[in-house]
This record gives sequence, structure tokens and C-alpha cells, in this order.
Amino acid sequence: DTGVSQDPRHKITKRGQNVTFRCDPISEHNRLYWYRQTLGQGPEFLTYFQNEAQLEKSRLLSDRFSAERPKGSFSTLEIQRTEQGDSAMYLCASSLPATNEKLFFGSGTQLSVL
Amino acid sequence: QKEVEQNSGPLSVPEGAIASLNCTYSDRGSQSFFWYRQYSGKSPELIMFIYSNGDKEDGRFTAQLNKASQYVSLLIRDSQPSDSATYLCAVGTGGFKTIFGAGTRLFVKA
Repeated sequence: DTGVSQDPRHKITKRGQNVTFRCDPISEHNRLYWYRQTLGQGPEFLTYFQNEAQLEKSRLLSDRFSAERPKGSFSTLEIQRTEQGDSAMYLCASSLPATNEKLFFGSGTQLSVL
Repeated sequence: QKEVEQNSGPLSVPEGAIASLNCTYSDRGSQSFFWYRQYSGKSPELIMFIYSNGDKEDGRFTAQLNKASQYVSLLIRDSQPSDSATYLCAVGTGGFKTIFGAGTRLFVKA
């Protein structure tokens, strides 16, 4: 499978716990994005990487959220001290440079905070 | 004002009819426009993109862009039950951020 891969597919956690999600982009894509989607809404932009550099971060991303992309390959998104409002689908997408942001999405990680 | 607005629907059309989905955006500097299809429980999938005013056709899909009116539309000809999904309009602002609308749910009745 050469698509965007996300792990885990589902995560159930208790409020206050930390969680980490992983995204493996399409191998030749140097741009990587994290989005969050709640029921009935479109994906909301969280952050963007070009290679290993995090170039943009949404104001939606509180200091409890951190994302990394070491070596410009896979990326991780960590949420510390989870809250019930963090429950959502976390989507990773990747794209080639100079493609006017045609995004290829992974299957997402569904987070439920109890 | 939301940056990308869509009618949430649901839009219900009979099989074989034309489905028309509409979207408006607020940033006049937007440069690229996309339609993504999202089946229930799945992730969005790019189906059309358009960068210039006018129409762009790909199979049963036609995207239309009017930058003066800040309006994008998607026409689906010969609608099939398998087209039943949520259609997300997305706008590229020229940076790295793509802004999505909330989506329009489409039901195609057999």
C-alpha cells in the first residue's frame, strides 16, 4: 500500500491522559498536514510540515498539542492532558510540492476521550 | 462569516439526475479550488480541482468556478446511488493551508 498510513485507527482514552498518533505520508511527498474533523464539520487545519520544518500552526492548536516530523518522513501528533473536547477524527494528509495543495488523506485516527 | 460556506443538505436526487452542489468562499485571494468526496466513516478523497474561471469536466463531474462571484460548484451527471456521500468544498489560499467547508450531504435515490 503506497497511500498515507495512520496509526492507530481508533484510540479510547481517559481524560487527562496523553496520546500520540503516527502518520506515514506517501513516500515522495514532502508536505505533510494534520487536520481535525468533528461530526458534521469539514476538516480543520491544525499544522503543516515541509520536510522536517513545521511551517504553520493553527491557533486551534493549544499548547497541549505538539507535532513533529523528524527526518522529514513520518510525523507524530501528541495531545497532552486530553480533554473531552479533543474527541474527533485526526486526519493526516500529504502532498507533493507545487501541486496547489492537492491533498491525499490517510484513514484517520478516531479519538474518544472519556 | 465562515471562510467556505456550503449548504449542509441533505440534497436528494433520483438516480440518473444531475446533482448540483454549491460553495462560496470569502478570501478573494484564493487561488485553488477543490471538491473532495467523503463516504461515511471514511476520509476525504479528492475528486476535482479547478484553478481558472470557467468549467472543467472529468467524466460525470464538472467543476465550475466564478472568481468574481467567489462561487464554486460541482455538477454530477447521471447520479448513481454510489455517489451518495458528503461533498466537501475546499479552497487553497496560496499558502499551505486549505480551508474546507462543512460539506453537503448528497443522497441519490435508486
